[in-house]
Amino acid sequence: AQKITQTQPGMFVQEKEAVTLDCTYDTSDPSYGLFWYKQPSSGEMIFLIYQGSYDQQNATEGRYSLNFQKARKSANLVISASQLGDSAMYFCAMREGNVGAQKLVFGQGTRLTINP
Amino acid sequence: GAVVSQHPSWVICKSGTSVKIECRSLDFQATTMFWYRQFPKQSLMLMATSNEGSKATYEQGVEKDKFLINHASLTLSTLTVTSAHPEDSSFYICSARTGTLSSYEQYFGPGTRLTVT
Repeated sequence: AQKITQTQPGMFVQEKEAVTLDCTYDTSDPSYGLFWYKQPSSGEMIFLIYQGSYDQQNATEGRYSLNFQKARKSANLVISASQLGDSAMYFCAMREGNVGAQKLVFGQGTRLTINP
Repeated sequence: GAVVSQHPSWVICKSGTSVKIECRSLDFQATTMFWYRQFPKQSLMLMATSNEGSKATYEQGVEKDKFLINHASLTLSTLTVTSAHPEDSSFYICSARTGTLSSYEQYFGPGTRLTVT
């Protein structure tokens, strides 16, 4: 079974609109962490946001927020007021186990295109 | 912020030759480094985890004799693709993390694009 599922291969959004990128995960470990990364065409992986399984509140980092619904096992990324520079691949990833655990499993990614 | 570099950023080699890729943590000590491979339009797949001073742990299906990993210091890990073939052509990305258990982040390098002709 897929550990991380991103069901949207591509998304097209008008500039300045908000966009939600979906991510569902599968784990039986009560301790885990969820990550979102942005990968522009240059290839570098840019860390966006992190949510721990025991965190009480949804994580936020500037225009990025993570809509964490633990019971549904979803961790959607919300980008508010999208910009042309947000066009990139976005990957959701999960670390199973506590913070000391290390392995990340990535989803298949969503290609986001922001239209002017 | 933490910076990880990779060298070279791209390399072309002939089939049957070996190529070495370096991953360096520039401003922190990386007790653990990871090597990923990414084929075009696909996700990152973890190849191996290396801890400084010990043997790398390879993921299932990754040939350890083909992809040699050395993590000899706290700031440098190398991946050597031995006897490269065209199917080894891919984007190789390393990441690194510190030993601080409270730190959850992995810091990624910019990647190395390998083309085997």
